[in-house]
Amino acid sequence: GAGVSQSPSNKVTEKGKDVELRCDPISGHTALYWYRQRLGQGLEFLIYFQGNSAPDKSGLPSDRFSAERTGESVSTLTIQRTQQEDSAVYLCASSLSWESVGELFFGEGSRLTVL
Amino acid sequence: GQQLNQSPQSMFIQEGEDVSMNCTSSSIFNTWLWYKQDPGEGPVLLIALYKAGELTSNGRLTAQFGITRKDSFLNISASIPSDVGIYFCAGQPGNTPLVFGKGTRLSVIA
Repeated sequence: GAGVSQSPSNKVTEKGKDVELRCDPISGHTALYWYRQRLGQGLEFLIYFQGNSAPDKSGLPSDRFSAERTGESVSTLTIQRTQQEDSAVYLCASSLSWESVGELFFGEGSRLTVL
Repeated sequence: GQQLNQSPQSMFIQEGEDVSMNCTSSSIFNTWLWYKQDPGEGPVLLIALYKAGELTSNGRLTAQFGITRKDSFLNISASIPSDVGIYFCAGQPGNTPLVFGKGTRLSVIA
């Protein structure tokens, strides 16, 4: 595909359940980012992957959040034991490299609702 | 963590009017960027600024990187209905991921 692809686009879950959100970056993009956007808020950095380097996990809000990336392709963001405060749109973005400052290409997001 | 103060929070303007929004930071940023987000979409990059004092235009959009490196503004001239959306400023304070403002929600009345 031409752009960043995220799935599911919408996810409704019950409090306490685990969820997995998937991101397919643009082919050839070595850098991948996850951001969280709460209703009416800006984008909150969660985690960043650059090639085979160790990911920057400094934005993950708790140990219930984790993410993996296979090489320079698909990434999965996992939220364990979901809480209502986890409800938000989770946005994935990719860029050619870490040096491509600001030239992030975003997916449409996965809207998570925790009941 | 780093925070950006973006204002105004929302704007209601008549079609054809000019728009101005700005972003400030308590610390120095190396890069300032402006993104637009349409409903149900991810943000899209509008303008990127890399040098203090830089003034850049993209069609009806003009943005500037403040001399102090702690602020930036975005102007939209002669607004049209498709300018509706949320505009985010973003900055990079160093070798760290982008920090985003809370956005300016723009509504255009035809």
